[in-house]
Amino acid sequence: DAGVTQSPTHLIKTRGQQVTLRCSPKSGHDTVSWYQQALGQGPQFIFQYYEEEERQRGNFPDRFSGHQFPNYSSELNVNALLLGDSALYLCASSLVDRVSNTEAFFGQGTRLTVV
Amino acid sequence: GQNIDQPTEMTATEGAIVQINCTYQTSGFNGLFWYQQHAGEAPTFLSYNVLDGLEEKGRFSSFLSRSKGYSYLLLKELQMKDSASYLCAVRGKGNNRLAFGKGNQVVVIP
Repeated sequence: DAGVTQSPTHLIKTRGQQVTLRCSPKSGHDTVSWYQQALGQGPQFIFQYYEEEERQRGNFPDRFSGHQFPNYSSELNVNALLLGDSALYLCASSLVDRVSNTEAFFGQGTRLTVV
Repeated sequence: GQNIDQPTEMTATEGAIVQINCTYQTSGFNGLFWYQQHAGEAPTFLSYNVLDGLEEKGRFSSFLSRSKGYSYLLLKELQMKDSASYLCAVRGKGNNRLAFGKGNQVVVIP
């Protein structure tokens, strides 16, 4: 059973450019969350997708947008890149279960460097 | 909002026991998670507490006191491979988002 997979693993972009990161959730999971982790910090919640809609959003500007496809995979788009956007971007998948709670499984992340 | 606080770094000897603390303030609580993260890798799930008390899982145990907004992760019989960052994360009520602390870097020495 494949876990959460993210692509690409590493990426270098120039300030002002746009980037798209991709995530395939763990088999059977229907919810995808994106996190940004700066060096030496804990992950910060960006947003969460369920049923192809953005359900929750953290304190990130509109330059950060996303999408979820019918097969539950997801994309994170960042426009007008800033140096401060350099970070590890983590995708986490989980299952929306009204009866019991389940932990989130993380992908290996995409290391984005903005120069 | 949520505020999660963890100490930043500790060093311990192989075979020893180490306790990593986490305090939190949150407007709604729906569980506390501990994750292990090796450098450059994804966080991996260690434990989950939603009720007060101790959860034991092999060499790892986690404790929760909701009234005190406090949790700890206990690592027993430390091994070199336990050198990693340990992240405490709180899940809010009515949602599935996690608020993480900065993580506690544990360095295991021979």
